[in-house]
Amino acid sequence: GENVEQHPSTLSVQEGDSAVIKCTYSDSASNYFPWYKQELGKRPQLIIDIRSNVGEKKDQRIAVTLNKTAKHFSLHITETQPEDSAVYFCAASSPGGGNKLTFGTGTQLKVEL
Amino acid sequence: KAGVTQTPRYLIKTRGQQVTLSCSPISGHRSVSWYQQTPGQGLQFLFEYFSETQRNKGNFPGRFSGRQFSNSRSEMNVSTLELGDSALYLCASTLAGQETQYFGPGTRLLVL
Repeated sequence: GENVEQHPSTLSVQEGDSAVIKCTYSDSASNYFPWYKQELGKRPQLIIDIRSNVGEKKDQRIAVTLNKTAKHFSLHITETQPEDSAVYFCAASSPGGGNKLTFGTGTQLKVEL
Repeated sequence: KAGVTQTPRYLIKTRGQQVTLSCSPISGHRSVSWYQQTPGQGLQFLFEYFSETQRNKGNFPGRFSGRQFSNSRSEMNVSTLELGDSALYLCASTLAGQETQYFGPGTRLLVL
């Protein structure tokens, strides 16, 4: 089955700096890659997603890039703010129909003042 | 629209008992997926229901089961609880034909 690896597990940046989180996946047939943000005690919330027919997608300070050949995708957050502090999860959809996401192990992002 | 809701929010059980968790999807969403979240294993897929049928299944033992009703509400059941079943159980709903999964707040289960 699909396996998703995520790095780093923790990331500390200064406010205003950029943060990059990287994920790799194993199944070349995977075609949907969402990123979720989970604040302490809250539900995961989708922040951005990308499909395999697109190489890059941007939404204000957040961008995701996908390299299908290398089977990796990355989340980029620019001009980080304290409210960006949370755990971020990448995921990949397993092929075969339906909605089954395989998640990475998460990155604890801390934005320091 | 109201978001995904889950009940109960917190639950304490003892080993050997069984538990039923409920998930109400966003109105109009017919797919409900369940995930187990633990500090050690992260977010793991349990199963997905669509139009009252199990469409996908993860690698969990048969003690974990689920069902979906005609109004798309879903329940999951865990029988013969073990200490390791302590976790946050999240459900997510998806509109048919779409891929975005919207998560509920979760049910935090503690097995003593």
